[in-house]
Amino acid sequence: DQQVKQNSPSLSVQEGRISILNCDYTNSMFDYFLWYKKYPAEGPTFLISISSIKDKNEDGRFTVFLNKSAKHLSLHIVPSQPGDSAVYFCAASATIRGAGSYQLTFGKGTKLSVIP
Amino acid sequence: EAGVVQSPRYKIIEKKQPVAFWCNPISGHNTLYWYRQNLGQGPELLIRYENEEAVDDSQLPKDRFSAERLKGVDSTLKIQPAELGDSAVYLCASSFDSLFMTGELFFGEGSRLTVL
Repeated sequence: DQQVKQNSPSLSVQEGRISILNCDYTNSMFDYFLWYKKYPAEGPTFLISISSIKDKNEDGRFTVFLNKSAKHLSLHIVPSQPGDSAVYFCAASATIRGAGSYQLTFGKGTKLSVIP
Repeated sequence: EAGVVQSPRYKIIEKKQPVAFWCNPISGHNTLYWYRQNLGQGPELLIRYENEEAVDDSQLPKDRFSAERLKGVDSTLKIQPAELGDSAVYLCASSFDSLFMTGELFFGEGSRLTVL
């Protein structure tokens, strides 16, 4: 049972336009959400995160929105650039009481292609 | 600052053969993770170390997989014997302590295993 779902395997966007990547989760215990970006033959790299106490976090061209009631988050990239072409993974974590470390559960990823 | 280093980058073996992967985390990072990423999927946690202690190995197939983190620094992941279904990218990641402050894991480039 997938707890983090990215239902769009791929997305194509024109350069300069907005890219919107979506993610849904099922586990109500998740309280921290992250987006990772992955280029071919490289490991994932952290992009942006959001705590469950917020509904928006912005970092330059990247904004993550969280809708807790819908268990949905989205990543907006404005404006999209060709260098943004990569696979984007949504990940979620829940505090483990007493252990002090989070576990990350990843979605399957969405491949973004930004067309020049 | 050096990132997470993994070796080998690529490994091709025949089924039933053993294989080992090595990971050197970022200096000072106490938490180390091994993830497995199958084609078209997101990374899935195999094992997590806090210093030299394996605090979560619930998803490690213990009949054929083993891992160790001697002295709380480098780590090795071993598969013996390998099966066709073990073909995947094995990702090592580290974090300073927990994900509490930034939620960020630092990933290595991964070791791609092909079992023939």
